[in-house]
Amino acid sequence: DIQMTQFPSSLSASVGDRVTITCRASQSISTYLNWYQQKPGKAPNLLIYAASNLQSGVPSRFSGSGSGTDFTLTITSLQPEDFATYYCEQSYSTPPFTFGPGTKVDIK
Amino acid sequence: QVQLVESGGGVVQPGRSLRLSCAASGFTFSSYNMHWVRQAPGKGLEWVAAISFDGSEKFSADSVKGRFTVSRDDSKNTLYLQMNSLRPEDTAVYYCARGFRMTVKVVVITLFDLWGQGTLVSVSS
Repeated sequence: DIQMTQFPSSLSASVGDRVTITCRASQSISTYLNWYQQKPGKAPNLLIYAASNLQSGVPSRFSGSGSGTDFTLTITSLQPEDFATYYCEQSYSTPPFTFGPGTKVDIK
Repeated sequence: QVQLVESGGGVVQPGRSLRLSCAASGFTFSSYNMHWVRQAPGKGLEWVAAISFDGSEKFSADSVKGRFTVSRDDSKNTLYLQMNSLRPEDTAVYYCARGFRMTVKVVVITLFDLWGQGTLVSVSS
């Protein structure tokens, strides 16, 4: 099975900051990589698909990049509603679909 | 309204069974592969099981293989997860999710683009 890692596991940031989260796959997954945002007590929400494509309705301050084993999610200007946990997920070699352990973004 | 609504969660003793349901509305349920994803308290997301759009293929995670069975009833627009021989480590919020297959350039990728609100399963004596 493909293993996903993320770093950092948590970070503190201020409104307006640029935030970058990294996701790494245990083997090459091309661009079969999706990003989700989850707020406390809520279901996950798709942000980015196929590594760099913005899901409809998601603000343009979110962007994704990468291919192969290394990927990044960037939030260019953090807003109050962006404080949440972010998960990457691979759909290259399935089943199983595997998620990263998550990165929690909280307020500095 | 396009939505998924789970039900059937609750408190159950180890070794017992429980069946979760996920009612779909607002889209053509029979056209989509469907998935179950769970989240233990304070933990990350774990994919549990999937069923193809026509019910011909079923998959499950090693952690639940032989104990959990996914099924669907397209006449009722409902997805199910039959959970047998439950263990304390199965305690989690269970989400159903729509698996949308999309072609991006030459890549055919599955996205979880619609999620239910989740139902809590607690396995405890």
